[in-house]
Amino acid sequence: DTGVSQNPRHKITKRGQNVTFRCDPISEHNRLYWYRQTLGQGPEFLTYFQNEAQLEKSRLLSDRFSAERPKGSFSTLEIQRTEQGDSAMYLCASSPRQPGANVLTFGAGSRLTVL
Amino acid sequence: QKEVEQNSGPLSVPEGAIASLNCTYSDRGSQSFFWYRQYSGKSPELIMFIYSNGDKEDGRFTAQLNKASQYVSLLIRDSQPSDSATYLCAVRSLNFGNEKLTFGTGTRLTIIP
Repeated sequence: DTGVSQNPRHKITKRGQNVTFRCDPISEHNRLYWYRQTLGQGPEFLTYFQNEAQLEKSRLLSDRFSAERPKGSFSTLEIQRTEQGDSAMYLCASSPRQPGANVLTFGAGSRLTVL
Repeated sequence: QKEVEQNSGPLSVPEGAIASLNCTYSDRGSQSFFWYRQYSGKSPELIMFIYSNGDKEDGRFTAQLNKASQYVSLLIRDSQPSDSATYLCAVRSLNFGNEKLTFGTGTRLTIIP
């Protein structure tokens, strides 16, 4: 297993276009998280899946954002009608279900630039 | 009040000295605490986690937790130039059975050769 994989690594788009990011978690991990990070800030929680169920969604996630995890494997994050304020690094992380500490392993991220 | 607060720095420490990074959190119900390191342009990578009061050591790194004061710190002994990075404190909270990590803004650390 090569860890958490994210694609594409970079995406440049024009305002108003739709974009989709994909995340493939570590195979034995059943929890998957999406975070957004802008320059000089820590990662901000967006949403979280346990298997295929989306269990929590941040208020940061407007109606233009949607995330899915069909069959509890890979996940997609779609942003519709992109705005310049959506420019950020979108990070995916996964973790195993285990009691105690919940250790997240992050992917390399997908950097979005909205012109 | 932010949920997780860190001094953004930059914090400059001479090579070989001890770097001390601090973090406070607001949710008294928080259960686990994490330190991640993030190099410029890279994603966060876990250094260590702690969930019991006291100290936890791993090589040159020591995490310290004081739940009464809602305070967690990271000490880096014998600092090396390769330790220059942003250090993110993260706190795990449990809300109606759902859990997430909330990150601070990070402290930028520079080790001066």
